[in-house]
Amino acid sequence: SQELEQSPQSLIVQEGKNLTINCTSSKTLYGLYWYKQKYGEGLIFLMMLQKGGEEKSHEKITAKLDEKKQQSSLHITASQPSHAGIYLCGADIEGGGSQGNLIFGKGTKLSVKP
Amino acid sequence: DSGVTQTPKHLITATGQRVTLRCSPRSGDLSVYWYQQSLDQGLQFLIQYYNGEERAKGNILERFSAQQFPDLHSELNLSSLELGDSALYFCASSVRVWFGDTQYFGPGTRLTVL
Repeated sequence: SQELEQSPQSLIVQEGKNLTINCTSSKTLYGLYWYKQKYGEGLIFLMMLQKGGEEKSHEKITAKLDEKKQQSSLHITASQPSHAGIYLCGADIEGGGSQGNLIFGKGTKLSVKP
Repeated sequence: DSGVTQTPKHLITATGQRVTLRCSPRSGDLSVYWYQQSLDQGLQFLIQYYNGEERAKGNILERFSAQQFPDLHSELNLSSLELGDSALYFCASSVRVWFGDTQYFGPGTRLTVL
């Protein structure tokens, strides 16, 4: 089974609506990363969360880390067409300062209807 | 434009061949990361260099090798290519060695192995 599960796999929202994407790990999280990828383009690093309860924002995107649930949620407020793309989460599931154990989810495809 | 450049943009080659992908980090960034993104495997972290030294190793095959030169540009060498190596290869750079530092991604090199 997938070690890092993202849900939903795809999402279509009306412009202006809020939405949440989840990333759940089957193992302890030592660091959680969020990225965005525009179709056919490169990746954009959004933010990294390290401590339980930590919350960070990047423009209208907020991410939280729930260490107990081994889960992170990415919340977009008042979605815009520019938010459309694929959101990927990555996680360090080994800790110990080595980032060689970085794994990634399959991504959530977000479409925003004008 | 992230400031990270990758060449070539596209590469088509045959099985068994060897190719070299090149990455120039943003000015001032000392850390370079390589990732592979394919339909089958999704996004995978390959390797990280910081100021010329290897700092983290992920799912990099033995047929693949990388290095970072004194001018900080990096090359990823892929040899004995197989069909399954067809993928988008991203390079990213950051100022510090820490993975949580904002990483700036290049546009990628799309490798097709026939």
